[in-house]
Amino acid sequence: DQQVKQNSPSLSVQEGRISILNCDYTNSMFDYFLWYKKYPAEGPTFLISISSIKDKNEDGRFTVFLNKSAKHLSLHIVPSQPGDSAVYFCAASTGNQFYFGTGTSLTVIP
Amino acid sequence: NAGVMQNPRHLVRRRGQEARLRCSPMKGHSHVYWYRQLPEEGLKFMVYLQKENIIDESGMPKERFSAEFPKEGPSILRIQQVVRGDSAAYFCASSPSSPNTIYFGEGSWLTVV
Repeated sequence: DQQVKQNSPSLSVQEGRISILNCDYTNSMFDYFLWYKKYPAEGPTFLISISSIKDKNEDGRFTVFLNKSAKHLSLHIVPSQPGDSAVYFCAASTGNQFYFGTGTSLTVIP
Repeated sequence: NAGVMQNPRHLVRRRGQEARLRCSPMKGHSHVYWYRQLPEEGLKFMVYLQKENIIDESGMPKERFSAEFPKEGPSILRIQQVVRGDSAAYFCASSPSSPNTIYFGEGSWLTVV
């Protein structure tokens, strides 16, 4: 049973525009949410996180939004850069367990 | 400040052989997680360990797979009698004693021929 879902396998965005990656979850007990970025043949790299007590967290070009009532979070990247092209995984945590989505492949077109 | 170290990065095994994947967590981290990524799929949780203890192995296949995290030395994921379906990328992650973020290693790519 997939508790964390990323329904868009891929996304293409023009350089300089905003990239919006979406993630849905089913377990209301999740209290911490994370985004990871992964290049081919490398391990996932932690990008940004948000606690369930917040609805927004910003770090430079990256902002994560959390809508607990909809059990939805999103990652906004603005402006998008070609180096942002990668697979992005969202993850949700309850205690010491982390559940990952299937990833969204972002392509930023120069 | 070394990150999570995994070795080998690439491993080729014939069907029926054993594969051992090693993971040294980040300094100061006492929690280790193993995930598997099959081709064209996401990250699937396998096992969560603390020093000398398996906390959650609900994602581990019931047969042929085992994991340990001894008091001294790296965590080891062991796959006995490998089959072609075991070919995947295996990622280890670690976190400190009160985890809210886990940090991944570079991965170990297992190919079974």
